[in-house]
Amino acid sequence: DTGVSQDPRHKITKRGQNVTFRCDPISEHNRLYWYRQTLGQGPEFLTYFQNEAQLEKSRLLSDRFSAERPKGSFSTLEIQRTEQGDSAMYLCASSDPRGRETQYFGPGTRLLVL
Amino acid sequence: DQQVKQNSPSLSVQEGRISILNCDYTNSMFDYFLWYKKYPAEGPTFLISISSIKDKNEDGRFTVFLNKSAKHLSLHIVPSQPGDSAVYFCAARANTGNQFYFGTGTSLTVIP
Repeated sequence: DTGVSQDPRHKITKRGQNVTFRCDPISEHNRLYWYRQTLGQGPEFLTYFQNEAQLEKSRLLSDRFSAERPKGSFSTLEIQRTEQGDSAMYLCASSDPRGRETQYFGPGTRLLVL
Repeated sequence: DQQVKQNSPSLSVQEGRISILNCDYTNSMFDYFLWYKKYPAEGPTFLISISSIKDKNEDGRFTVFLNKSAKHLSLHIVPSQPGDSAVYFCAARANTGNQFYFGTGTSLTVIP
């Protein structure tokens, strides 16, 4: 069990570019979550997958954001036409419903849009 | 609409003393609560959780208390250690969904 991993850890991009982040959850966890965290705030829920199905999406997830989990394992979060307001830490978490549904977080991807 | 609130942005405690971190919530449908600890440049790390059917859960130096009537929970750390210095987030989930709501965090500093 290597924990939740995220790649890349840091990303600097210019406004208008597209970026994609990857999350690899803990292997036996079928639930996967994406969050966004800005300075001085707690993580804000973006979206939730159970296996490959995207079951919940936040109002925060504009149409420039898309997330996939094609085989129910790793997930990708893509942001199209990035804006400076997208600068944040993007966190991925996974959980196992057989347990106490506690979410285990990855280290995050820090995005800076110039 | 901040449904989970941590009104103290920071807290300083002497090593060996008790740290008490507080959290208030507004949604009566919340039935599961967690505390996370976060170091800089890392993701949040799970500490302890409590279900709404309990009013206390203890794990070593960490105890979480839940007061449903007041919609309030607290995390007690005793004795506090310098390694406990971090930002602590409380989080809650409603029984109607899978979305977790986080507070804004409390930065704890334990002074040696």
